[in-house]
Amino acid sequence: EVQLVASGGGVVQPGGSLRLSCAASGFTFDDYAMHWVRQAPGKGLEWVSLITRDGGSTFYADSVKGRFSISRDNKKGSLYLQMNSLRIEDTAFYYCAKESLQYFEQWGQGTLVTVSS
Amino acid sequence: EIVMTQSPATLSVSPGERATLSCRASQSISTSLAWYQQKPGQAPRLLIYGASTRATGIPARFSGRGSGTEFTLSISSLQSEDFAVYYCQQYSDWPPTTLTFGGGTKVEIK
Repeated sequence: EVQLVASGGGVVQPGGSLRLSCAASGFTFDDYAMHWVRQAPGKGLEWVSLITRDGGSTFYADSVKGRFSISRDNKKGSLYLQMNSLRIEDTAFYYCAKESLQYFEQWGQGTLVTVSS
Repeated sequence: EIVMTQSPATLSVSPGERATLSCRASQSISTSLAWYQQKPGQAPRLLIYGASTRATGIPARFSGRGSGTEFTLSISSLQSEDFAVYYCQQYSDWPPTTLTFGGGTKVEIK
């Protein structure tokens, strides 16, 4: 069974940093590109970032470019999102998602990031 | 950026009735469209990809159709577990263009 378990969310002040993790199991992790998608409370879905299977290429939404950094450790089966210079508008549930041909085949349960002073 | 517009925002349907949800793309995306279902407090779940292919384990009452800029998701006979929010997502010309979602349609009990 595919499992994606996100962690690392919490409350942080504007301008602060946070690192999210996603532990993957039940599939061959390095066979798949991985994404982060977020959802502000009560709002819709917003794609955040993609990392290719080998970690060689990364892509970001304009809203987070230059502030967020996605990475992965294929030996550990883990995905990460380093979030710097956090803004109030970054408050959201952050989901890790396993890609299949550019759509999101499996989603983790989400971890809540709250940016507040 | 390709903008995805879903309508209606809310759809009130009685159990057992048919529901039809719409999704429109701001430019042609061929059949590069997925549909997701999200229930309160849960992560989204993939229903449909390639505009019309059901994901593994998705009941046959869910069907998708369309191509180019106009797409629909139909639920033939609504069950209690189908009341949820549904999102469409385009993945045309990706990467490097942004993956975008529609704003969602909430299917509620009439």
